[in-house]
Amino acid sequence: GDSVTQMEGPVTLSEEAFLTINCTYTATGYPSLFWYVQYPGEGLQLLLKATKADDKGSNKGFEATYRKETTSFHLEKGSVQVSDSAVYFCALTDQAGTALIFGKGTTLSVSS
Amino acid sequence: DSGVTQTPKHLITATGQRVTLRCSPRSGDLSVYWYQQSLDQGLQFLIQYYNGEERAKGNILERFSAQQFPDLHSELNLSSLELGDSALYFCASSAGASGNEQFFGPGTRLTVL
Repeated sequence: GDSVTQMEGPVTLSEEAFLTINCTYTATGYPSLFWYVQYPGEGLQLLLKATKADDKGSNKGFEATYRKETTSFHLEKGSVQVSDSAVYFCALTDQAGTALIFGKGTTLSVSS
Repeated sequence: DSGVTQTPKHLITATGQRVTLRCSPRSGDLSVYWYQQSLDQGLQFLIQYYNGEERAKGNILERFSAQQFPDLHSELNLSSLELGDSALYFCASSAGASGNEQFFGPGTRLTVL
């Protein structure tokens, strides 16, 4: 079935460092792809999305490009802040286009 | 704030008991989704309701059931609770039947002792 694989965490960075969190997927058809962020004690917030190949989603300095040829949707940010510390989830819509299938999440810790 | 509300925030109960979790979607959203987040299984889709009707089912146990009411709020009922049911239960909503752009509530943390 469809699935999402994320790089294992935790990822520990210093403020202003460059961030990459890898995400690859397996899917039949053409799913939409998402990055969600979960801050401590809170629910998931949609960070960005892409609905077709070569689309780039971006928000709050974060970017990810839907790469069909490599089945990837890596999350990047040029300069992280302490406030970016959170758990990041890559997800895709299932074959029916309804439910979200999530990766296991990657914990990011940024220190000043 | 996503606009999705969930109550209660925390719930502690004993094995064998039954609980009800409540979710109110964002204003205007017709779909409600329920997800379970546990340490071993991660985030898993349970069930979706669209405008009062069940639309999709995921890994939902037979001991669990849900419904969506005419005012579009939804309830997730968990019965014959086991220790392994301890988890965070999230509700999400979206405008239409498609799963694109789901907005999540803050979750209900269920602890089964």
